[in-house]
Amino acid sequence: DVKVTQSSRYLVKRTGEKVFLECVQDMDHENMFWYRQDPGLGLRLIYFSYDVKMKEKGDIPEGYSVSREKKERFSLILESASTNQTSMYLCASSFPGTSGRGGELFFGEGSRLTVL
Amino acid sequence: AQKVTQAQTEISVVEKEDVTLDCVYETRDTTYYLFWYKQPPSGELVFLIRRNSFDEQNEISGRYSWNFQKSTSSFNFTITASQVVDSAVYFCALSETNSGYALNFGKGTSLLVTP
Repeated sequence: DVKVTQSSRYLVKRTGEKVFLECVQDMDHENMFWYRQDPGLGLRLIYFSYDVKMKEKGDIPEGYSVSREKKERFSLILESASTNQTSMYLCASSFPGTSGRGGELFFGEGSRLTVL
Repeated sequence: AQKVTQAQTEISVVEKEDVTLDCVYETRDTTYYLFWYKQPPSGELVFLIRRNSFDEQNEISGRYSWNFQKSTSSFNFTITASQVVDSAVYFCALSETNSGYALNFGKGTSLLVTP
């Protein structure tokens, strides 16, 4: 079974703090994604990566950065957390498009971040 | 612009009723992919189905069925004889050719099945 593990289920941070959200997958997937989920807004893509050291902006990248130094790990960074970044953050990974299973995302359990 | 529209925010049905969740999408690509995901109360999203734009054949999997109609840009999901365990939020999603399989999700439909 594919396992996507997010380092923290719940975090509480102060405004202005730097926040790291870590995600690790064990299926050797090329593609990894960070989404945030908010009530009434569904899932919105922040960043994604289709290879080590590669990254692409999603729909709402402002205020976020990412790092992918190893294939299995994709980190989301909030350089200076703000209250409007209070949300559920979801990491996902997937097979490459050439596998015929592109878009079949495997999600982690989510990290609920509260910024005070 | 919203590319995937799930007009039904919440649906409530009684067990054993059939229920259809609507999904309308928009894209200019000729090659694209459509998906449905389920998010149960436990929270972890689970993949249900993927469809490519060249395959309009309807799909049935047990009590679940999907109706893909390019003419109306819709990809609707029907649960037959609903059960309490079907209670979840269901998301429709679109992936376009150049997106690297990054999905554009609808806002979701919350389905409540009561005994």
